[in-house]
Amino acid sequence: ELKVEQNPLFLSMQEGKNYTIYCNYSTTSDRLYWYRQDPGKSLESLFVLLSNGAVKQEGRLMASLDTKARLSTLHITAAVHDLSATYFCAVRLGGGADGLTFGKGTHLIIQP
Amino acid sequence: GAVVSQHPSRVICKSGTSVKIECRSLDFQATTMFWYRQFPKQSLMLMATSNEGSKATYEQGVEKDKFLINHASLTLSTLTVTSAHPEDSSFYICSATFLKLAYNEQFFGPGTRLTVL
Repeated sequence: ELKVEQNPLFLSMQEGKNYTIYCNYSTTSDRLYWYRQDPGKSLESLFVLLSNGAVKQEGRLMASLDTKARLSTLHITAAVHDLSATYFCAVRLGGGADGLTFGKGTHLIIQP
Repeated sequence: GAVVSQHPSRVICKSGTSVKIECRSLDFQATTMFWYRQFPKQSLMLMATSNEGSKATYEQGVEKDKFLINHASLTLSTLTVTSAHPEDSSFYICSATFLKLAYNEQFFGPGTRLTVL
């Protein structure tokens, strides 16, 4: 059974600071996704990571993947209030259009 | 990105009634649609995978007789919660993909909030 663990589950930080969210998964996967969810809303796709060593950046967010360690990170640089949201990582087992297994999510609050 | 819609966005019903939720892919033909459930302040849990023209595949612990899924066309899947009870109250989110899409990316609908009284 594929398990996906995120930490921390809750993070309160000040604007301008840097921080990293971690995502560990238990079995080999061919896809790792990061999503953002605002309260009462659905998911917004942030990144898709496909291979070992993959790194993607969009604005103040950067995601990386280490398939050997089964670890992905989402790094936030110089946080701003607008980044407050819940961030989920999700993993696909592979072999066809499989559904995703999600981590529990990291509830991020960025205070001015 | 592709657009997926859900209807209704919010529904309140009495215990014992059935509720149908629609998921539509608006600008592409979805070979596969997924249904997820999210309880308050929790993660998304995959309920079932639905392929057009075939029976849905349910995840372990999901009652197929309670959560009826129909994927009648390449643009529409429906989830019917039969004989709903308060514990079925949740946020239901569908997603859609098609096999030729890069990374098998899933596009998520806006979700349906179900409240059973």
